[in-house]
This record gives sequence, C-alpha cells and structure tokens, in this order.
Amino acid sequence: SQQGEEDPQALSIQEGENATMNCSYKTSINNLQWYRQNSGRGLVHLILIRSNEREKHSGRLRVTLDTSKKSSSLLITASRAADTASYFCATDAGAGGTSYGKLTFGQGTILTVHP
Amino acid sequence: NAGVTQTPKFQVLKTGQSMTLQCAQDMNHEYMSWYRQDPGMGLRLIHYSVGAGITDQGEVPNGYNVSRSTTEDFPLRLLSAAPSQTSVYFCASSLGTAHYEQYFGPGTRLTVT
Repeated sequence: SQQGEEDPQALSIQEGENATMNCSYKTSINNLQWYRQNSGRGLVHLILIRSNEREKHSGRLRVTLDTSKKSSSLLITASRAADTASYFCATDAGAGGTSYGKLTFGQGTILTVHP
Repeated sequence: NAGVTQTPKFQVLKTGQSMTLQCAQDMNHEYMSWYRQDPGMGLRLIHYSVGAGITDQGEVPNGYNVSRSTTEDFPLRLLSAAPSQTSVYFCASSLGTAHYEQYFGPGTRLTVT
C-alpha cells in the first residue's frame, strides 16, 4: 500500500518561479524523506526531516512537516530547467520511535521547468 | 567510490525463466534493499537486509528471493519470471537504519514476455 500521496501529480512552471509539492501520509512516522528522480535514472536523496522537526532547508530547498496533519511540503525556490524531474516523498514508519529504514514511497510529482 | 552498482541495465526474459539481478555497494553500508517501480505506483519495497546474513521481506516479496552473504553484495533472484514482474528494479543502501538517507543504484529495466 502507498503510505504517501503526493499533490499535484504534475506541475509545470517557468524558470525563476517557485515550485511547491505536497505529500500526505497515513500513519505515524519517524522521518520523512524527499528524493528526486531524473528520467530513466536512480533516485537521489534531497532532504530527511525527522518527526520532531518542523522545517529544514538545503540550498534552494525548504521542507516542512506537520505531523498533526500528517503532511509535508517541498518548496523549490527560483526553479531552473535542471530541476525538471520527478519528486518523491518517502516515509519511514518504524515502531516505537525506531527507524527501520524501510521506506514507503508516494507516487511522485512530475515537475517541468520551462526555460 | 562507485556507489551502488546494478547489473544488467536491461533484461528481457520469457515467462518461467529465472535470473539474478546483481547489486553491489562499496560504501560499507549495513542496510541494503530492493524496490520495484511501476508506472504511477511509486517504489515498492521487495526485500531488505540490515547486515550480512540477515534479510527480511518488504511489501511485495512474492516471486523473489534474496541473500546477503557479504556486506557488499545483495542479489535479487527471480525464481520463475511472470509478466507481472515487468518493472524497473532499484537497489539501495544506507549506512544504517536510523534516520539515514538511502543511496540508489541506476536501476535494471526488466521485461517479461
């Protein structure tokens, strides 16, 4: 079963605009991770946010986590054509606060950034 | 470091054939896992290993076997290929299980006819 649901399924923007992707999940988690996948390639890790954190930044990326709403968002600021990719959220549910490393992925958001 | 490597990149099998997808990592990672990616489904966990000699099932283990005799290698065996196993397979590794990012291989695209 898919733990994460991502919204929107596809997003098309112009270079320089911001892109926001959302992820909702169903059960309690230990951490939530965001990955990027370029067409035909493997996934690349972007950010990991733990359940006791509310916001993390990495360069042009900002991730928020709201455990009360079981949701997370990924913001990419000042998008570039090279940001064109699929973006996935993945949750690590674990048990009793223990991270097991078993990730459950959402279906992904396809981001297209037009030059 | 080569990171996570997977072979082959592409494979076509006939129904009923068996094969092994290879995965290796040179980062001395304890945790390794196999996922399959189908269109519109995201990635689903097949099997995982928390260290040499220890494996366990993920979400979709049926039709697949794994073993972990060394820290570096984690092969995935398809016992009797079925068209439903047509997918892209990704191997991943991480330093441990507690809040670590996972490193993915480039994938193996498998078609079963």
